[in-house]
Amino acid sequence: GQQVMQIPQYQHVQEGEDFTTYCNSSTTLSNIQWYKQRPGGHPVFLIQLVKSGEVKKQKRLTFQFGEAKKNSSLHITATQTTDVGTYFCAGPLAAQKLVFGQGTRLTINP
Amino acid sequence: DSGVTQTPKHLITATGQRVTLRCSPRSGDLSVYWYQQSLDQGLQFLIQYYNGEERAKGNILERFSAQQFPDLHSELNLSSLELGDSALYFCASSVAEGPAYEQYFGPGTRLTVT
Repeated sequence: GQQVMQIPQYQHVQEGEDFTTYCNSSTTLSNIQWYKQRPGGHPVFLIQLVKSGEVKKQKRLTFQFGEAKKNSSLHITATQTTDVGTYFCAGPLAAQKLVFGQGTRLTINP
Repeated sequence: DSGVTQTPKHLITATGQRVTLRCSPRSGDLSVYWYQQSLDQGLQFLIQYYNGEERAKGNILERFSAQQFPDLHSELNLSSLELGDSALYFCASSVAEGPAYEQYFGPGTRLTVT
């Protein structure tokens, strides 16, 4: 069925390094949302992108929505230990359900 | 604190049993969603309710059922439990229905089936 693919599944970085996770859909998305789940916690909404080519920033986090609205990325500049967690993208697919990607688990070596 | 509450936090039960998970959405939110998250897995959508009516179904097993009550709280019933049902079950709510609205997740119920 329709799904949202997210890569990589795991990423380990040294503190201070940059991190990027990518999200791809086989179909055009009307919007894409990003969530963060800290270890032992619950997913927390970060942001929603709606427009083609949209770029939004939240401090060290930069979110992009592709021109074709089929892909998105989350880039973290100079990671800190507080960035540890799993980052999920989610997009509306069949039957207007929000479908979550498998997530990228980020671990950081301090 | 997202404003979404879930009870219980933890649940340990035996195979073949039945359990009920409860969720209260954020004040003012009409939509409730249920998700299952197994170890190291993503979020599997189970079912969605809007203002008391079922609106969307995911890969929810026939042994599972849910409902949303007039006060908008929701319950997820899991019966004939199997070992593979052990997982984190999240409830989320949003102000309206449709994937354009961000979802606010509760703390989850960790179910362990032994």
